[in-house]
Amino acid sequence: GEDVEQSLFLSVREGDSSVINCTYTDSSSTYLYWYKQEPGAGLQLLTYIFSNMDMKQDQRLTVLLNKKDKHLSLRIADTQTGDSAIYFCASRPGSQGNLIFGKGTKLSVKP
Amino acid sequence: DAGVIQSPRHEVTEMGQEVTLRCKPISGHDYLFWYRQTMMRGLELLIYFNNNVPIDDSGMPEDRFSAKMPNASFSNLKIQPSEPRDSAVYFCASSSGQPHEQFFGPGTRLTVL
Repeated sequence: GEDVEQSLFLSVREGDSSVINCTYTDSSSTYLYWYKQEPGAGLQLLTYIFSNMDMKQDQRLTVLLNKKDKHLSLRIADTQTGDSAIYFCASRPGSQGNLIFGKGTKLSVKP
Repeated sequence: DAGVIQSPRHEVTEMGQEVTLRCKPISGHDYLFWYRQTMMRGLELLIYFNNNVPIDDSGMPEDRFSAKMPNASFSNLKIQPSEPRDSAVYFCASSSGQPHEQFFGPGTRLTVL
């Protein structure tokens, strides 16, 4: 079945850029998403990209999509301690209503 | 809009008891999802509904779990009887239309002793 893979941990220093990577298996994925989960809270949508785009920028966030390699990345510029959280990559296969989530990458930002 | 509302926020119960988790989706959304999150297994999709109809319940762990959506503004997830391994955070989410982004509730933290 469809699968989304991402590394489990990433540690960066405050002010550096963070890059979180994700790979997915379903080539029919129409949308790809990045969600953020802070401790004790639900998942919150950060950004999404349509499959016919290869880049999307939103303030400090840059999403890159390599559809050929089925690779998605999220770059956070000037990472702050408040960015410490778990980041989930998700894909929407074809015409289905559900999303396939990765296991999440825990981002730790050191001062 | 108040967002997705879940109740209770915390539930502590003893093994063998029935547990009912409740969700009110965002008004106008036609999809509703139930997820379970644990450290060991991550985020798992249990079941989802479209227009109040269950579409995929393949993630429901076993017959002890059931979910209903009697109308567009309410869903519940029941566990009967509950077991300690059911301890987790249960999230409800809803979505509608393109780009089908899901809005998550704050979750219910269930502890089964």
